[in-house]
Amino acid sequence: GEDVEQSLFLSVREGDSSVINCTYTDSSSTYLYWYKQEPGAGLQLLTYIFSNMDMKQDQRLTVLLNKKDKHLSLRIADTQTGDSAIYFCAVLNNNAGNMLTFGGGTRLMVKP
Amino acid sequence: GAVVSQHPSWVICKSGTSVKIECRSLDFQATTMFWYRQFPKQSLMLMATSNEGSKATYEQGVEKDKFLINHASLTLSTLTVTSAHPEDSSFYICSASPGLAGGIKYEQYFGPGTRLTVT
Repeated sequence: GEDVEQSLFLSVREGDSSVINCTYTDSSSTYLYWYKQEPGAGLQLLTYIFSNMDMKQDQRLTVLLNKKDKHLSLRIADTQTGDSAIYFCAVLNNNAGNMLTFGGGTRLMVKP
Repeated sequence: GAVVSQHPSWVICKSGTSVKIECRSLDFQATTMFWYRQFPKQSLMLMATSNEGSKATYEQGVEKDKFLINHASLTLSTLTVTSAHPEDSSFYICSASPGLAGGIKYEQYFGPGTRLTVT
């Protein structure tokens, strides 16, 4: 099955850019997502990218997809303390119905 | 749009009792709903997938007699934890999908989660 990996932790200073990385194994994955989870809360969809795209930008968020290397990244420009949260990448494989496979999550800490 | 609610947001129950968690899609019809479990500082683990009007499909290792899922309507799914034990304490999150979109399924919206503590 699909395996999705993320680094556990990232610390940045307020105003800097944050880059959170994710790798996956199944090349037939169709949609790739980034979710944000704040303490004690559910998941908030931040953005997603379709597998035939290599970049998507949405305000401060930039998603890069390297399909050859099966590597996905989320860049947050001008990171704010309110961006501190856990970020999950998730991958959809249509061959597995509508099932998402999640990475382990990256905890982003933004220092003032 | 695309709001999913869960009720209750947190619940404490005694060991041996049963607890029901509701998941509702508020502004769309959800042909498929998913139930996840999340342990502290860990990722989400899919427990089961349910389609309206049919039996849920459980992931390997999830006891279907312990975690009863009912998807009775296009806007409501329930998860009942039967004879709860302390090891069932966890954060349970549901998600709902409106189904096919442009021929490709890709939308899945998450509820805020329910924290269950079994004493």
